Amino acid sequence: DIVMTQSPDSLAVSLGERATITCKSSQSVLYHSNNENYLAWYQHKPGQPPKLLIYWASTRESGVPDRFSGSGSGTDFTLTINNLQAEDVAVYYCQQYYRAPNTFGQGTKLEIK
Amino acid sequence: QAQLVQSGGGVVQPGRSLRLSCEASGFIFSSHAIHWVRQAPGKGLEWVGIVWYDGTSKFYADSVKGRFTISRDNSRYTVDLQMNSLRVEDTAVYYCARDRGGDGYNPADYWGQGTLVIVSS
Repeated sequence: DIVMTQSPDSLAVSLGERATITCKSSQSVLYHSNNENYLAWYQHKPGQPPKLLIYWASTRESGVPDRFSGSGSGTDFTLTINNLQAEDVAVYYCQQYYRAPNTFGQGTKLEIK
Repeated sequence: QAQLVQSGGGVVQPGRSLRLSCEASGFIFSSHAIHWVRQAPGKGLEWVGIVWYDGTSKFYADSVKGRFTISRDNSRYTVDLQMNSLRVEDTAVYYCARDRGGDGYNPADYWGQGTLVIVSS
């Protein structure tokens, strides 16, 4: 199975500042035939289902504010949230869909400082 | 607008069975794989399994393999998760989620509301 490891486990950032979360996969999730990274980021708030933010490592889902961005390739990925807003408080997960089981990272809890 | 509505769940004793259902609407159901994902109390998201668009392929997490079965009925726009030999550690909120494609090699873009399963004596 592909193991996904996020860091940090928790993060406190001031309003208006930048939050950065990293995700590392135990093997590459880059599919060379189409040059796509099979990596997604989700936002999860209590009492709600997870919400897709980013897919193919860097493509923003429709309706997601452009302060959310994803980058990286192969085994190392980053979710960046610029100009942090109060509504961004949540747990963020990376997930690989390169190979079943479609494993998630352990999650990063983002709070306001 | 795509929508997934879940039913089932509740409290069940260890070793017993429970069936969860996920009813889809607003999209061509037979074109999309469906995932099941769970979150145990105080824990992160755990992928449980997937059924492809046509039901021909299914994959499961090791933690549920041999105990859980996913099935789908494309004529009724439903996916079921049959959970047998339940354990205390299966206690979680269970979500169904639509794969953007037909075979699991895409992100999960629409999610059900979640349903709570409690396994306790």
